[in-house]
Amino acid sequence: AQRVTQPEKLLSVFKGAPVELKCNYSYSGSPELFWYVQYSRQRLQLLLRHISRESIKGFTADLNKGETSFHLKKPFAQEEDSAMYYCALSGHSGGGADGLTFGKGTHLIIQP
Amino acid sequence: EAGVVQSPRYKIIEKKQPVAFWCNPISGHNTLYWYLQNLGQGPELLIRYENEEAVDDSQLPKDRFSAERLKGVDSTLKIQPAELGDSAVYLCASSLGGELTEAFFGQGTRLTVV
Repeated sequence: AQRVTQPEKLLSVFKGAPVELKCNYSYSGSPELFWYVQYSRQRLQLLLRHISRESIKGFTADLNKGETSFHLKKPFAQEEDSAMYYCALSGHSGGGADGLTFGKGTHLIIQP
Repeated sequence: EAGVVQSPRYKIIEKKQPVAFWCNPISGHNTLYWYLQNLGQGPELLIRYENEEAVDDSQLPKDRFSAERLKGVDSTLKIQPAELGDSAVYLCASSLGGELTEAFFGQGTRLTVV
């Protein structure tokens, strides 16, 4: 069974400090990993995916298959980064992509 | 582009009553998903459609939940009868399908069963 674990329910850091949101997964094959973000009163939206290997809003995430991790990082937090962050995994079966398996989410609060 | 549209945004019903949620995916998106999100939890997949075919409904409680996507576009999720524990946010998402797995989410329907 596939699983995504986000150990921190709440993470509070000061503006300008580095941020790391942890995500570990279990999956028997080669999954696709994502970070989704939900800002206050907005819909869930994709932040980044491991395949793209790009930086979005200063955030990066590297897939570490050895540690089965996909931690989200940003060197200098900004107040507008305050939001709920969900790590998600998609497997592949039957030739297409499965639905997403989400972690429980981490509420990131950036203090001024 | 309005994105994925869901209605209603909020619904309050008494237990044992039926309720239905509607979703209009992004035009051209073949894959449609319904997710359930309980308070303090991440979304959990209920059902996935490829066009009009339900290809994964393993997590859908079929004794009271049903879904349809008759013409491969809009979809309806129904609960009959609703129970107190069904209070949650019901999210609809869509994607182009195939290996392109970026899912776009709707605003969700917040259901309260009293």
